[in-house]
Amino acid sequence: EDQVTQSPEALRLQEGESSSLNCSYTVSGLRGLFWYRQDPGKGPEFLFTLYSAGEEKEKERLKATLTKKESFLHITAPKPEDSATYLCAVQATGSGGSNYKLTFGKGTLLTVNP
Amino acid sequence: DAGVIQSPRHEVTEMGQEVTLRCKPISGHDYLFWYRQTMMRGLELLIYFNNNVPIDDSGMPEDRFSAKMPNASFSTLKIQPSEPRDSAVYFCASSLVPGLGYTFGSGTRLTVV
Repeated sequence: EDQVTQSPEALRLQEGESSSLNCSYTVSGLRGLFWYRQDPGKGPEFLFTLYSAGEEKEKERLKATLTKKESFLHITAPKPEDSATYLCAVQATGSGGSNYKLTFGKGTLLTVNP
Repeated sequence: DAGVIQSPRHEVTEMGQEVTLRCKPISGHDYLFWYRQTMMRGLELLIYFNNNVPIDDSGMPEDRFSAKMPNASFSTLKIQPSEPRDSAVYFCASSLVPGLGYTFGSGTRLTVV
């Protein structure tokens, strides 16, 4: 069974204080690893997809990296508007390529104080 | 595009009543997913459709839950009879190419009392 574990559960940073969020995963075969951002009362918003170990993607102050066992979401010089829950999910290769299910971790609640 | 549209945004119902949640996917998206989010279990896939056909319903908790997609622009998730443990936020998502990610709706917060 596919499993995703995110740490820490919650992280409080001062504005400008860089840090990283961790996503450890177990999957039979990885089709893709996804990062989403979720604001209170809203649905998850897509950030990145990573497909193979060594891949990196960046968007503004966020950079996602991938190894064979985990992914990191690095946040550089965060601002209060980066406060949200960050969700990691994996999509496994399925029989006949028909498995498009995303298995999510429980998320990291990030709070950035001004 | 207006994105994925879900209704209602909030639903409060009494135990034993029938509840119907609705979803309009993004036009042209062939895949539609229903997820449920709780504090304890996080986001869990209930069922997904491709071209209006259910592909994987292994996450549907029990026979009280049913989902339909009568056409490419509309899907429903029905719970009958509802129970307090069904209280959660239910999300619908759609995708043109699932390997590139989904677009989620704003969710329906269901409270069963």
